Amino acid sequence: EVQLVESGGGLVQPGGSLRLSCAASGFTFSAYSMNWVRQASGKGLEWISYISGSTSATYYADSVKGRFTISRDDAKNSLFLQMNSLRDEDTAVYYCARAAVTGASWLVAYWGQGTLVTVSS
Amino acid sequence: DIQMTQSPSTLSASVGDRVTITCRASQSITNWLAWFQQKPGKAPKLLIHTASTLESGVPSRFSGGGSATEFTLTIGSLQPDDFATYYCQQYSNYPFTFGPGTKVDVE
Repeated sequence: EVQLVESGGGLVQPGGSLRLSCAASGFTFSAYSMNWVRQASGKGLEWISYISGSTSATYYADSVKGRFTISRDDAKNSLFLQMNSLRDEDTAVYYCARAAVTGASWLVAYWGQGTLVTVSS
Repeated sequence: DIQMTQSPSTLSASVGDRVTITCRASQSITNWLAWFQQKPGKAPKLLIHTASTLESGVPSRFSGGGSATEFTLTIGSLQPDDFATYYCQQYSNYPFTFGPGTKVDVE
């Protein structure tokens, strides 16, 4: 069974940093592309970052480009999101999500339960 | 960036109704479109991909259609478990944008 468990969320002041983690199990982590998607309270879904499985190619939404960095540790079956220069508008539940199939798939099929990041002074 | 819109934003319906949600893309995405269902406090669930392919385990009352810039999600006979918010997402080009969502609630 595919399991994705996010951690690392919490309260941080504007301008601060936070590192989110996603522990994966139930599948060959290195073979799949991974994503981060966020959702502000009462709002819609916003895709923010992607990392491929094989080449570790990365993509970012303009809203986080230059501030957030996605990475992975295949040996530890883990996905990360380093978030710097945080803003009030980054407050959201952050979901880790796995691609549907192996290879460079952009379709997201499996989601974790999310971790809440609150940016506030 | 490809912009996604959905209509209606809210849909009030009753059990047994046939409901249709429309999703439009600002440029052609061929058939690289997915539909997700989300219930309050829960992660989204993939229902349909490549515009019309039902994900394994999803009831057959759900169907998807369309291509290029206009797509639909239809629930053939609305069930109590189907009251939720539905999102479309294009995965033709990054950023992989979502539509704003359609909330299906009880009439």
